[in-house]
Amino acid sequence: DSGVTQTPKHLITATGQRVTLRCSPRSGDLSVYWYQQSLDQGLQFLIQYYNGEERAKGNILERFSAQQFPDLHSELNLSSLELGDSALYFCASSAGLAGGPGYEQYFGPGTRLTVT
Amino acid sequence: EDQVTQSPEALRLQEGESSSLNCSYTVSGLRGLFWYRQDPGKGPEFLFTLYSAGEEKEKERLKATLTKKESFLHITAPKPEDSATYLCAGGLFSGGYNKLIFGAGTRLAVHP
Repeated sequence: DSGVTQTPKHLITATGQRVTLRCSPRSGDLSVYWYQQSLDQGLQFLIQYYNGEERAKGNILERFSAQQFPDLHSELNLSSLELGDSALYFCASSAGLAGGPGYEQYFGPGTRLTVT
Repeated sequence: EDQVTQSPEALRLQEGESSSLNCSYTVSGLRGLFWYRQDPGKGPEFLFTLYSAGEEKEKERLKATLTKKESFLHITAPKPEDSATYLCAGGLFSGGYNKLIFGAGTRLAVHP
Protein backbone atom coordinates (compact mmCIF):
# COMPACT_ATOMS: atom_id res chain seq x y z
CA ASP A 1 0.00 0.00 0.00
CA SER A 2 1.59 3.26 -1.19
CA GLY A 3 -0.53 5.48 1.04
CA VAL A 4 -2.07 7.24 -1.97
CA THR A 5 -5.82 6.73 -2.25
CA GLN A 6 -8.04 7.20 -5.27
CA THR A 7 -11.79 7.06 -5.69
CA PRO A 8 -13.74 5.67 -7.34
CA LYS A 9 -12.02 2.45 -8.40
CA HIS A 10 -14.23 2.04 -11.43
CA LEU A 11 -16.36 4.47 -13.38
CA ILE A 12 -18.61 3.72 -16.32
CA THR A 13 -20.22 6.63 -18.11
CA ALA A 14 -21.53 7.67 -21.49
CA THR A 15 -19.97 9.86 -24.14
CA GLY A 16 -20.47 13.55 -23.57
CA GLN A 17 -20.67 13.23 -19.81
CA ARG A 18 -18.45 14.75 -17.14
CA VAL A 19 -16.76 12.90 -14.28
CA THR A 20 -14.55 13.77 -11.33
CA LEU A 21 -11.75 11.59 -10.06
CA ARG A 22 -10.42 12.11 -6.57
CA CYS A 23 -6.97 11.56 -5.08
CA SER A 24 -5.57 11.86 -1.57
CA PRO A 25 -1.75 11.98 -1.42
CA ARG A 26 0.45 10.27 1.12
CA SER A 27 0.53 12.02 4.46
CA GLY A 28 2.98 14.90 4.26
CA ASP A 29 3.37 14.88 0.47
CA LEU A 30 2.82 18.26 -1.16
CA SER A 31 3.08 17.29 -4.83
CA VAL A 32 0.32 15.50 -6.72
CA TYR A 33 0.64 14.21 -10.26
CA TRP A 34 -2.00 12.82 -12.61
CA TYR A 35 -1.27 10.23 -15.29
CA GLN A 36 -3.30 8.48 -17.96
CA GLN A 37 -2.53 4.92 -19.03
CA SER A 38 -4.35 3.36 -21.95
CA LEU A 39 -3.78 -0.05 -23.52
CA ASP A 40 -1.84 1.23 -26.50
CA GLN A 41 0.17 3.84 -24.65
CA GLY A 42 2.35 3.92 -21.61
CA LEU A 43 2.01 6.25 -18.68
CA GLN A 44 1.26 9.72 -19.96
CA PHE A 45 1.83 12.62 -17.61
CA LEU A 46 -1.15 14.97 -17.44
CA ILE A 47 -0.61 17.61 -14.77
CA GLN A 48 1.16 18.37 -11.51
CA TYR A 49 0.19 20.42 -8.48
CA TYR A 50 2.43 21.48 -5.63
CA ASN A 51 0.89 22.76 -2.42
CA GLY A 52 -2.23 23.93 -4.20
CA GLU A 53 -0.57 25.49 -7.22
CA GLU A 54 -0.38 24.12 -10.72
CA ARG A 55 3.27 23.55 -11.55
CA ALA A 56 3.39 21.66 -14.82
CA LYS A 57 1.21 20.44 -17.64
CA GLY A 58 1.86 17.46 -19.83
CA ASN A 59 -0.37 15.94 -22.47
CA ILE A 60 -3.58 17.14 -20.90
CA LEU A 61 -6.55 17.88 -23.13
CA GLU A 62 -8.45 21.15 -22.80
CA ARG A 63 -11.53 19.10 -21.80
CA PHE A 64 -9.62 17.98 -18.71
CA SER A 65 -8.83 20.09 -15.68
CA ALA A 66 -7.59 19.54 -12.16
CA GLN A 67 -7.17 21.29 -8.86
CA GLN A 68 -5.53 20.71 -5.51
CA PHE A 69 -7.37 21.78 -2.40
CA PRO A 70 -6.01 23.27 0.86
CA ASP A 71 -6.11 19.84 2.50
CA LEU A 72 -3.89 18.69 -0.43
CA HIS A 73 -6.33 16.28 -1.97
CA SER A 74 -6.72 16.67 -5.71
CA GLU A 75 -9.49 16.21 -8.23
CA LEU A 76 -9.25 15.55 -11.95
CA ASN A 77 -12.26 16.67 -13.94
CA LEU A 78 -12.93 15.10 -17.34
CA SER A 79 -15.68 16.61 -19.47
CA SER A 80 -17.30 15.99 -22.87
CA LEU A 81 -16.04 12.46 -22.60
CA GLU A 82 -15.16 10.49 -25.70
CA LEU A 83 -14.66 6.78 -26.23
CA GLY A 84 -10.93 7.37 -26.47
CA ASP A 85 -10.82 8.70 -22.93
CA SER A 86 -11.35 5.20 -21.60
CA ALA A 87 -8.21 4.42 -19.63
CA LEU A 88 -6.68 3.97 -16.22
CA TYR A 89 -6.08 7.26 -14.46
CA PHE A 90 -3.40 7.30 -11.79
CA CYS A 91 -2.56 9.81 -9.18
CA ALA A 92 0.90 9.92 -7.67
CA SER A 93 2.41 11.99 -4.90
CA SER A 94 5.85 12.97 -3.74
CA ALA A 95 7.24 14.87 -0.80
CA GLY A 96 9.73 17.02 -2.62
CA LEU A 97 9.57 19.25 -5.61
CA ALA A 98 12.97 18.52 -7.04
CA GLY A 99 16.01 16.38 -6.46
CA GLY A 100 17.18 14.11 -3.65
CA PRO A 101 15.07 12.07 -1.24
CA GLY A 102 11.41 12.77 -1.59
CA TYR A 103 11.71 12.92 -5.34
CA GLU A 104 10.19 9.47 -5.70
CA GLN A 105 6.61 9.39 -6.87
CA TYR A 106 4.25 6.96 -5.19
CA PHE A 107 1.23 5.86 -7.18
CA GLY A 108 -2.31 5.21 -6.13
CA PRO A 109 -4.36 2.19 -7.23
CA GLY A 110 -5.95 4.08 -10.10
CA THR A 111 -9.44 4.74 -11.40
CA ARG A 112 -10.55 2.70 -14.39
CA LEU A 113 -12.74 4.88 -16.59
CA THR A 114 -14.91 3.27 -19.23
CA VAL A 115 -16.75 5.53 -21.65
CA THR A 116 -19.55 3.83 -23.58
CA GLU B 1 14.59 14.89 -27.07
CA ASP B 2 14.48 13.23 -23.68
CA GLN B 3 13.64 9.57 -24.11
CA VAL B 4 13.60 6.28 -22.20
CA THR B 5 13.61 2.97 -24.04
CA GLN B 6 13.13 -0.43 -22.46
CA SER B 7 14.00 -3.83 -23.86
CA PRO B 8 12.84 -6.41 -24.39
CA GLU B 9 9.15 -5.59 -24.65
CA ALA B 10 8.29 -8.97 -23.24
CA LEU B 11 10.32 -11.68 -21.55
CA ARG B 12 9.33 -15.20 -20.66
CA LEU B 13 11.44 -17.05 -18.10
CA GLN B 14 11.32 -20.37 -16.40
CA GLU B 15 11.32 -20.27 -12.63
CA GLY B 16 14.93 -19.99 -11.46
CA GLU B 17 16.21 -18.70 -14.82
CA SER B 18 18.02 -15.43 -14.12
CA SER B 19 17.95 -12.57 -16.62
CA SER B 20 18.25 -8.81 -17.04
CA LEU B 21 15.97 -6.07 -18.26
CA ASN B 22 17.44 -3.05 -19.99
CA CYS B 23 16.54 0.61 -19.77
CA SER B 24 18.46 3.01 -21.96
CA TYR B 25 17.98 6.71 -21.59
CA THR B 26 18.79 9.96 -23.27
CA VAL B 27 17.78 12.45 -20.62
CA SER B 28 19.70 15.66 -20.31
CA GLY B 29 20.49 16.46 -16.73
CA LEU B 30 19.23 13.15 -15.38
CA ARG B 31 18.24 13.45 -11.75
CA GLY B 32 17.51 9.90 -10.87
CA LEU B 33 16.61 6.69 -12.67
CA PHE B 34 13.53 5.05 -11.21
CA TRP B 35 12.27 1.48 -11.40
CA TYR B 36 8.67 0.52 -10.80
CA ARG B 37 6.77 -2.76 -10.85
CA GLN B 38 3.20 -2.76 -12.16
CA ASP B 39 0.73 -5.61 -11.83
CA PRO B 40 -2.20 -5.71 -14.28
CA GLY B 41 -4.84 -3.12 -13.46
CA LYS B 42 -2.87 -1.73 -10.51
CA GLY B 43 -0.76 1.31 -9.84
CA PRO B 44 3.01 1.21 -10.34
CA GLU B 45 4.87 0.20 -7.19
CA PHE B 46 8.11 2.02 -6.48
CA LEU B 47 11.17 -0.24 -6.37
CA PHE B 48 14.42 1.72 -6.65
CA THR B 49 15.99 5.07 -7.35
CA LEU B 50 19.53 5.27 -8.71
CA TYR B 51 21.26 8.63 -8.76
CA SER B 52 24.77 8.12 -10.09
CA ALA B 53 26.66 5.84 -12.47
CA GLY B 54 28.02 2.79 -10.68
CA GLU B 55 25.29 2.79 -8.09
CA GLU B 56 23.56 -0.51 -7.30
CA LYS B 57 20.51 -1.30 -5.20
CA GLU B 58 19.01 -4.64 -4.24
CA LYS B 59 15.67 -5.87 -3.04
CA GLU B 60 15.09 -9.58 -2.63
CA ARG B 61 15.71 -11.14 -6.08
CA LEU B 62 16.04 -7.78 -7.84
CA LYS B 63 19.17 -5.73 -8.33
CA ALA B 64 19.26 -2.46 -10.23
CA THR B 65 22.42 -0.95 -11.66
CA LEU B 66 23.13 2.31 -13.45
CA THR B 67 25.67 3.41 -16.04
CA LYS B 68 25.92 6.74 -17.84
CA LYS B 69 23.62 5.56 -20.62
CA GLU B 70 21.54 2.72 -19.28
CA SER B 71 20.19 0.87 -16.30
CA PHE B 72 19.72 -2.83 -15.80
CA LEU B 73 17.28 -4.67 -13.60
CA HIS B 74 18.74 -8.07 -12.83
CA ILE B 75 16.38 -10.76 -11.66
CA THR B 76 18.05 -13.66 -9.91
CA ALA B 77 16.27 -17.03 -9.67
CA PRO B 78 12.86 -15.50 -10.41
CA LYS B 79 9.64 -16.94 -9.08
CA PRO B 80 6.17 -16.82 -10.67
CA GLU B 81 5.21 -14.01 -8.30
CA ASP B 82 7.83 -11.82 -9.99
CA SER B 83 5.63 -11.77 -13.09
CA ALA B 84 4.66 -8.16 -13.78
CA THR B 85 5.47 -5.23 -16.02
CA TYR B 86 8.63 -3.43 -14.98
CA LEU B 87 8.80 0.26 -15.78
CA CYS B 88 11.79 2.52 -15.68
CA ALA B 89 11.64 6.29 -15.69
CA GLY B 90 14.20 9.02 -16.06
CA GLY B 91 13.84 11.95 -13.72
CA LEU B 92 14.74 15.47 -14.61
CA PHE B 93 14.09 18.90 -13.26
CA SER B 94 12.49 21.05 -15.90
CA GLY B 95 10.54 24.26 -15.69
CA GLY B 96 10.46 24.22 -11.93
CA TYR B 97 9.20 20.75 -11.36
CA ASN B 98 10.48 17.22 -11.20
CA LYS B 99 9.34 15.29 -14.24
CA LEU B 100 9.42 11.58 -14.90
CA ILE B 101 9.77 10.21 -18.42
CA PHE B 102 8.56 6.62 -18.48
CA GLY B 103 9.61 3.84 -20.79
CA ALA B 104 6.97 1.53 -22.27
CA GLY B 105 7.89 -1.26 -19.87
CA THR B 106 9.00 -4.88 -20.04
CA ARG B 107 6.31 -7.50 -19.47
CA LEU B 108 7.90 -10.33 -17.51
CA ALA B 109 6.26 -13.74 -17.26
CA VAL B 110 7.86 -16.36 -15.02
CA HIS B 111 6.56 -19.87 -15.46
CA PRO B 112 6.92 -22.69 -12.92
